[in-house]
Amino acid sequence: QQQVKQSPQSLIVQKGGISIINCAYENTAFDYFPWYQQFPGKGPALLIAIRPDVSEKKEGRFTISFNKSAKQFSLHIMDSQPGDSATYFCAASFQSGGGADGLTFGKGTHLIIQP
Amino acid sequence: DSGVTQTPKHLITATGQRVTLRCSPRSGDLSVYWYQQSLDQGLQFLIQYYNGEERAKGNILERFSAQQFPDLHSELNLSSLELGDSALYFCASSFGAHNEQFFGPGTRLTVL
Repeated sequence: QQQVKQSPQSLIVQKGGISIINCAYENTAFDYFPWYQQFPGKGPALLIAIRPDVSEKKEGRFTISFNKSAKQFSLHIMDSQPGDSATYFCAASFQSGGGADGLTFGKGTHLIIQP
Repeated sequence: DSGVTQTPKHLITATGQRVTLRCSPRSGDLSVYWYQQSLDQGLQFLIQYYNGEERAKGNILERFSAQQFPDLHSELNLSSLELGDSALYFCASSFGAHNEQFFGPGTRLTVL
C-alpha cells in the first residue's frame, strides 16, 4: 500500500523556469510533510517542511503548497537553476505521537534543469 | 554535511553472511532512524530508537535488528543476507522523537 504518491517520476525544466512536483497522501493522521533533495551518492537533505495548520510555506526559491481537504501537497522551485538538478522526495509522518515517527516517502522525482 | 556519520561507506559480502552497519547521530540528537533505499522499493523506514529505547518499527525484516548504545550511536545488524538485501542503508537523527530528521551519507551494501 503506497501511502504517499508522487508525480511526475521525471521532470525537465528550462533554467529560470518553475519546477512543480506533486504529492498525495492517504492517511489523514499524517501531520508533518517534509521535502528532501538527494544528489547522486549522497543522503537525502531536508529542504523544507510544512504542517497542516498552514496552506503555504516559502523558503527562498522553494515553496510548499498544502491542500488538506484534497490531501495533496506540492513543491514549487522558482527560478530553477542547473544546480537544482537532483531527485526530490516528498514524505509524511506523524509528529504528534499518533503513530510511528518514521517517514513515509514518495517514489521520488528526477528533476533536470536544462541550461 | 548533516553531521550524521555512517560507516562503512561500502560493504560487499556474500549471501548467508551477517554484517553490522554503524551510525553516529548529530551532536545532541537523541533519536536515530534507519532507512533502506532500493530501486524497486524506494526509501523505506526500518526502525527508530529514542535515547536507547526502540520507539517505532517500520518494514524491518526479522533477519534485521538494531540497537542504540548509551553514547547514542546505533548499529543495524543484517543477518542471513540475501541478494535482495543489496541496497543503500541510511541513518537519520533528530533531537526529539518528533523533530526534523537529518540523514547520513549512507552505507552501500552489495550482497553477491
